Parts: sequence; structure tokens; C-alpha cells
Amino acid sequence: AQSVTQLGSHVSVSEGALVLLRCNYSSSVPPYLFWYVQYPNQGLQLLLKYTSAATLVKGINGFEAEFKKSETSFHLTKPSAHMSDAAEYFCAVSVGRGSTLGRLYFGRGTQLTVWP
Amino acid sequence: GAGVSQSPRYKVAKRGQDVALRCDPISGHVSLFWYQQALGQGPEFLTYFQNEAQLDKSGLPSDRFFAERPEGSVSTLKIQRTQQEDSAVYLCASSYRVAGGINTQYFGPGTRLTVL
Repeated sequence: AQSVTQLGSHVSVSEGALVLLRCNYSSSVPPYLFWYVQYPNQGLQLLLKYTSAATLVKGINGFEAEFKKSETSFHLTKPSAHMSDAAEYFCAVSVGRGSTLGRLYFGRGTQLTVWP
Repeated sequence: GAGVSQSPRYKVAKRGQDVALRCDPISGHVSLFWYQQALGQGPEFLTYFQNEAQLDKSGLPSDRFFAERPEGSVSTLKIQRTQQEDSAVYLCASSYRVAGGINTQYFGPGTRLTVL
């Protein structure tokens, strides 16, 4: 079975500060991992994805995430927060085979607030 | 269009009414997914289509929920005899290839359903 835990439903940072959004996953098979961002009244937009090619994944808008198998983690980071980063972020896991092929399992989301 | 579109964007229904939610995927996308996002939660899988074939409907919460994609493009999610617990945002996503963990799903803006 697959599941995702996002630690912290709300994270607040000052503009220019480091952003760290935590994600831990559980998967019975090697996973594919995703981070999506959701702005108000908009659909989910893919930030980045891990597909086993490299453990450090770079995405759009300066975000990156590192896959750590030993910690079953895929935390999202950005060195310097911008006001436009304020949004809700979702971590998701998928598997490449089996009865649940292709479906995404999402965490509950983390709302990021950026203070000026 | 350039992205996945959904209509209506907002729907208010009285308990017991039937509703139909429409999804227009990106042209040429083989895979289509429906997700349900309750308030404060991450999206949860409902059903998956590969072209016109509904290959996985294990996430549909009850037999009041029905989805179709008769010509392999536009899809409709129908909810019969709506209940208050059906209130949620319904998200549609499409993917270019046959479902597999690596493939990016592109999400529409969602339909917010409120059942009174």
C-alpha cells in the first residue's frame, strides 16, 4: 500500500528565508514521487518529480527535492522564499505497476505563507 | 485548449439532486483520472480511464457515483441523489500515455460542489 505524510499543515517563512516542506512516504514497491503546488482557485501544477534517475531533483521556480530511501523522505526546499511562493503544496506518490498503476496518493497538503 | 478544462467551476445542489461534472482533457491524452478533494484534505483517487475504457473505478465511494468517457476524450462524472458528504472539489487530470507511475498528470481547475 502507498501513503504520504506531510509534516506540518502550515509553514510560515519570511521573504528570503529557506523554505523546507517535509514529506515522508510509504510504498511497498519503488515509488515515483511528485510535488504539486496549488494556487487559490487553480488546478494542481507539477513542481518536480522523482523517477529514479537522480536523487536530487530540480523543479520549477527554484524548488528542489531530495529522495532519501533510507529515510523514506522527499522533502521540498527552496533557498530563498518569494512572496509569490505562497500557496498550498502537495506531495504525492505513485507506483509503476500493480493494481494501482498510475493513480496518485496525496498527502494532506502544507499551506505556505510568506511574510514580507 | 492548452490545458485541462472543467465545467461548471462551481455547482450548488440540493440534497437528493443529480449532478453532472464535465472534464475536457488535453487533446490526444490517453489517460484520464478523477479525484475528489474534501476541504482541508489532499485529493483522493476516484477512477481512471484509458481512452474510453474505465480500467479502475475502485475509488468511487458508492454506487451513486458514475463516470464515463464514451469517445475517449471528454469525460463526465455523475453523482446521483447527492448527499452533504459529497461536497468537495472534483479534480480531473489527464496524461499523454497509458497510466504508469512516471507519467505526469495535468490537472484541471476543478469543480467545487456544494450540497445543501
